[in-house]
Amino acid sequence: GNSVTQMEGPVTLSEEAFLTINCTYTATGYPSLFWYVQYPGEGLQLLLKATKADDKGSNKGFEATYRKETTSFHLEKGSVQVSDSAVYFCALSDKGGTALIFGKGTTLSVSS
Amino acid sequence: DAGITQSPRHKVTETGTPVTLRCHQTENHRYMYWYRQDPGHGLRLIHYSYGVKDTDKGEVSDGYSVSRSKTEDFLLTLESATSSQTSVYFCAISVPNQPQHFGDGTRLSIL
Repeated sequence: GNSVTQMEGPVTLSEEAFLTINCTYTATGYPSLFWYVQYPGEGLQLLLKATKADDKGSNKGFEATYRKETTSFHLEKGSVQVSDSAVYFCALSDKGGTALIFGKGTTLSVSS
Repeated sequence: DAGITQSPRHKVTETGTPVTLRCHQTENHRYMYWYRQDPGHGLRLIHYSYGVKDTDKGEVSDGYSVSRSKTEDFLLTLESATSSQTSVYFCAISVPNQPQHFGDGTRLSIL
């Protein structure tokens, strides 16, 4: 079945450091790919998405490119801020584009 | 924020009791979902609905039932709660081929 694997955390960075969170997937067909972010005590918010190969999703300085040849969707940001501290989830669409399959989440902690 | 309200936000109950969680939306979206979030597992789909009275099972549906009698409400019921169902439960909504939007979650503790 379809699945998502993302790097184990926690990831601890200093402010202004470069961020990469790895995400790879296994899927039949051509799913859409997503990154969601969860701040403490809150629900998940959509951070960015890509719907086909070579698409680049971007939002708030974060980027991720849908790489079909490596089945990857790595999240990157050039300069993280303390306010980026959160849990990040990679996900793909399943069940004909309705339900989501999530990775286990990666906790990011940024210190000043 | 998408108009999604989950209730209650927190609940503590005892093993063997019935529990119902409610998800209410004001967006008139067709699809509604229930997920549970557990450490080391991310979010896992319990049940989802693709219309009034139309529901289907997800990955971890055992021990849960759902009902959707109105577009705006999707209920999740634990008929006889067990300690393994202690979790944070999230409701989500979507329209076809669009990303899901999540509620703020219900923290459920079963003692």
